[in-house]
Amino acid sequence: NAGVTQTPKFRVLKTGQSMTLLCAQDMNHEYMYWYRQDPGMGLRLIHYSVGEGTTAKGEVPDGYNVSRLKKQNFLLGLESAAPSQTSVYFCASTGAYLDDPSSYNEQFFGPGTRLTVL
Amino acid sequence: AQSVTQLDSQVPVFEEAPVELRCNYSSSVSVYLFWYVQYPNQGLQLLLKYLSGSTLVKGINGFEAEFNKSQTSFHLRKPSVHISDTAEYFCAVSERMDSSYKLIFGSGTRLLVRP
Repeated sequence: NAGVTQTPKFRVLKTGQSMTLLCAQDMNHEYMYWYRQDPGMGLRLIHYSVGEGTTAKGEVPDGYNVSRLKKQNFLLGLESAAPSQTSVYFCASTGAYLDDPSSYNEQFFGPGTRLTVL
Repeated sequence: AQSVTQLDSQVPVFEEAPVELRCNYSSSVSVYLFWYVQYPNQGLQLLLKYLSGSTLVKGINGFEAEFNKSQTSFHLRKPSVHISDTAEYFCAVSERMDSSYKLIFGSGTRLLVRP
């Protein structure tokens, strides 16, 4: 069980370039999330998905797009990178939520992708 | 919308000393609360969680936290820290969204354990 994996681990882009970050999970989880982590700000939710073929905006979605064509993969795209998108990006996944609190599933995080936009 | 406040950005402590990392959340309704740990250059790992029941929650690596509803706090404690506990610690609260929940994170507290 690899858990949640992210590729690449590091990337340097020039302003205006595009790229895609890949997140993969092998736990058959329904829900997947993309966060960004900036110093002193904790983690902020960019986009999320509650199942294959569905995506939704989180707290800071501007400048990003996502796709969930397969249940195990969640892609984060930057169409035209800006220096403000320099950050560490984390993907997370979790099983289906139920109304019973005792069945609440934790979010499992990937190791992160460190992105620098020059 | 909920918010989480971690009052200390950095906490230096000597090895084998006790430590408390503070966390306050904004909501007065039922909440699920979490502490995550992030070791250098790694992702986040769940330390412990409060869903319901006993207000004292025990987690991994000897950590525990106490849920205090009246003070809307969920402070993390460890009676004796090790060098290996040096990491960043995040408090989080769940918030309902659509058919699932999202996590609202605090800004983090960096624990520095010195020999």
